[in-house]
Amino acid sequence: DAGVIQSPRHEVTEMGQEVTLRCKPISGHDYLFWYRQTMMRGLELLIYFNNNVPIDDSGMPEDRFSAKMPNASFSTLKIQPSEPRDSAVYFCASSLSLGSGTQYFGPGTRLLVL
Amino acid sequence: QQPVQSPQAVILREGEDAVINCSSSKALYSVHWYRQKHGEAPVFLMILLKGGEQKGHEKISASFNEKKQQSSLYLTASQLSYSGTYFCGTEANSGNTPLVFGKGTRLSVIA
Repeated sequence: DAGVIQSPRHEVTEMGQEVTLRCKPISGHDYLFWYRQTMMRGLELLIYFNNNVPIDDSGMPEDRFSAKMPNASFSTLKIQPSEPRDSAVYFCASSLSLGSGTQYFGPGTRLLVL
Repeated sequence: QQPVQSPQAVILREGEDAVINCSSSKALYSVHWYRQKHGEAPVFLMILLKGGEQKGHEKISASFNEKKQQSSLYLTASQLSYSGTYFCGTEANSGNTPLVFGKGTRLSVIA
């Protein structure tokens, strides 16, 4: 298996622009997670899906962030409008089960908002 | 709630040992350990389930004391390849909940 795939790997944008991050989980994994990583806060869970259904989005910082999973092989995280404080590395991960399941992380998208 | 890791950073010479601790204020069902090398994604190392078990992975092992709500990661005879940031992720005692990751411990192994 190719593992979790994320695109783009790097994104530089200007404040106010819309940013869309994409993720393809490992085939057969029922859970998909979106994380944000910063030096200050570490790895923060933003939202997770089970069988394409959003289960907990309490980690989404504000209404500017939204996530979708239209099918089992694709998810997006959108930021609109983007702000400089959104600059971070965004990881997508997938797993077979929730708590005790091993999470497999994608390579991440490094986002810089100017 | 986010588990607390200590130390925040450690520098070792090749061959030295290190211990990284992970403490939670809540009862835990499982503890996961991941390692992240610079510029890469976190990679799973091991999971410890409630029951106070100890696990090993080559020269890296870990223990889980559920009563103290603590886990420790032991790195023995460190190698240059061990350098990276180590994260613990904790699952609440209710089970079947998403992991909460600590802020990480940066380990640097020098020759």
